Amino acid sequence: EVQLLESGGGLVQPGGSLRLSCGASGFTFGFTFSSYAMSWVRQAPGKGLEWVSAISGSGDNTYYVDSVKGRFTISRDNSKNTLYLQMNSLRAEDTAVYYCAKVTRGLDYWGQGSLVTVSS
Amino acid sequence: DIQMTQSPSSVSASVGDRVTITCRASQGISSWLAWYQQKPGRAPKLLIYAASSLQSGVPSRFSGSGSGTDFTLTISSLQPEDFATYYCQQANSFPYTFGQGTKLEIK
Repeated sequence: EVQLLESGGGLVQPGGSLRLSCGASGFTFGFTFSSYAMSWVRQAPGKGLEWVSAISGSGDNTYYVDSVKGRFTISRDNSKNTLYLQMNSLRAEDTAVYYCAKVTRGLDYWGQGSLVTVSS
Repeated sequence: DIQMTQSPSSVSASVGDRVTITCRASQGISSWLAWYQQKPGRAPKLLIYAASSLQSGVPSRFSGSGSGTDFTLTISSLQPEDFATYYCQQANSFPYTFGQGTKLEIK
């Protein structure tokens, strides 16, 4: 079964940077990490889910919610089965648990989440 | 961007009840809709994709319907483990957007 494990979260000051990683494992039946688009979704404390970004299997196509465009960059290293989210110019409103998720006909596998806190 | 509106925001029900949650898109999304269940402190879990297809391993008491702009998630007979928050999500166009969530509570 596919497993996703996020890392890299923590406390950062406003204006600072952080890079999240999401390691993937458990692909079977001839499918590999590069077979699937991947996505980041976040959830602010006590709030609902917000889709943040997605990337195609090859990494050639990327997509972002307007609130993070120009500040966040999604990327992937298919040789390492790893997804990344580089977050720059962080704001207090970026404070959230960040989930990575595998994209098929929905977001069918999710990581456990990584907490990012932006505060001075 | 496509806005997703769920109703109700919260609902109280008893074990064995039938519950329906609705989700409306601000523009047509064909059948590009998914439903998720989230319990406190846990990652969301995919229940339904393509508006009405049951994800593998999800109990058959969960069902989805609709197309275009109006969708429903129905739980036919509530079980204790179903008390959670439910979200719809459109996958018709980027940015993918979620509804605000429906909290299902025990009456």
